[in-house]
Amino acid sequence: DGGITQSPKYLFRKEGQNVTLSCEQNLNHDAMYWYRQDPGQGLRLIYYSQIVNDFQKGDIAEGYSVSREKKESFPLTVTSAQKNPTAFYLCASSISGKIYEQFFGPGTRLTVL
Amino acid sequence: AQSVAQPEDQVNVAEGNPLTVKCTYSVSGNPYLFWYVQYPNRGLQFLLKYITGDNLVKGSYGFEAEFNKSQTSFHLKKPSALVSDSALYFCAVRDSGAGSYQLTFGKGTKLSVIP
Repeated sequence: DGGITQSPKYLFRKEGQNVTLSCEQNLNHDAMYWYRQDPGQGLRLIYYSQIVNDFQKGDIAEGYSVSREKKESFPLTVTSAQKNPTAFYLCASSISGKIYEQFFGPGTRLTVL
Repeated sequence: AQSVAQPEDQVNVAEGNPLTVKCTYSVSGNPYLFWYVQYPNRGLQFLLKYITGDNLVKGSYGFEAEFNKSQTSFHLKKPSALVSDSALYFCAVRDSGAGSYQLTFGKGTKLSVIP
């Protein structure tokens, strides 16, 4: 059964701690993406990767880091430098190419206490 | 630069009536346009896309969208709304001439279908 998995679904962390969100896909997609969703602001791109071992900053990369060591995995680390990390985080993947739609995971809701 | 606007934060429609969710875009090249739906606390689901060809695009769950180049619009439509269509709808655009795969999303429109 192909798809994208994100874990955990809910995550609570204390202020000042780094936290890593998991994203795994078995769709054999080359491209992967991380978005942040806040109420009334739509989706904003954090980072994206078009191929293994390569990634680019999106519109709001400050305070976040990623790695792409394997085709199927694209973990996102929310660092203590991110000033307002509480949000809903969505991972997506797609076939390489501009005409292809993105497939989304179920999301991780991060709450920083 | 590419951008997309969804002018309505919320749309209310009675069950059985036609629905329209509006979207306008701005790109420097030709647009690739997408509609997604999101149910509460879930990821986004792809509904339909326009790449080229026929201006009327049909998608999942009976939805369709009409591409209008002169008005730079890509409105989502359905002839008869269901209560189960109540959700958050996102329009997205990608500039065919841009160097990256970046997809720009609108802020979303909340659709409420009233029984």
